Amino acid sequence: DIVMTQSPDSLAVSLGEGATINCKSSQSILYTPNNKNHLAWYQQKPGQPPKLLIDWASTRESGVPDRFSGSGSGTDFTLAISSLQAEDVAVYYCQQYYDTPLTFGGGTKVEIK
Amino acid sequence: QFQLEQSGAELRKPGASVKVSCKTSGYTFTNHGITWVRQAPGQGLEWMGWISGYNGNTRYAEKFQGRVTMTTDTSTSTAYMELRSLTSDDTAVYFCARRPDSKYGVVSSLGYWGQGTLVTVSS
Repeated sequence: DIVMTQSPDSLAVSLGEGATINCKSSQSILYTPNNKNHLAWYQQKPGQPPKLLIDWASTRESGVPDRFSGSGSGTDFTLAISSLQAEDVAVYYCQQYYDTPLTFGGGTKVEIK
Repeated sequence: QFQLEQSGAELRKPGASVKVSCKTSGYTFTNHGITWVRQAPGQGLEWMGWISGYNGNTRYAEKFQGRVTMTTDTSTSTAYMELRSLTSDDTAVYFCARRPDSKYGVVSSLGYWGQGTLVTVSS
């Protein structure tokens, strides 16, 4: 199984400041035939299902604010929030879809400082 | 818009079984599969498996092999997930979900989610 390791477990950021979440896969999830990284980022608020923010490591889903950005390739990935808003308080997960079983990172809780 | 509507919360005793439903709408059920993911209280997300809406083919996580059965009813565009021999470790919110694009296949991100079904296992 591909193990997804997120860091940090939690972080507290002042409103308007930036936040960075890291995700590392135990093997490369860059799929050579399409040259795409099979990595997604989700946001989950209490009592809600996860919401897909970013696909293919860096493609924002429709309606996702542009303060969210994804980067990275191979085994190392990053989700950045450029200017934290109150509504961004949530737990963020990365997920690989390179192979089954689909696996998720352990989550990063983002709070307001 | 695509919708996945799940059945309500369930309470079961250890050793029992539970069957959760996921009724879909807004798209052609047989063109896609349904993925099941669970989340224990305060914990992360765990992939349980996938079922094809087209032919009922399944792919289960090894952890649940022999204990889970995923089925579909194409006449009502509904997917089901049955988990047997429940223990307290199975207490979790169970989600059904679908890939975000128009393609078919088990390996994908998950763009559409049901609201979740809380299954509590307690004596």
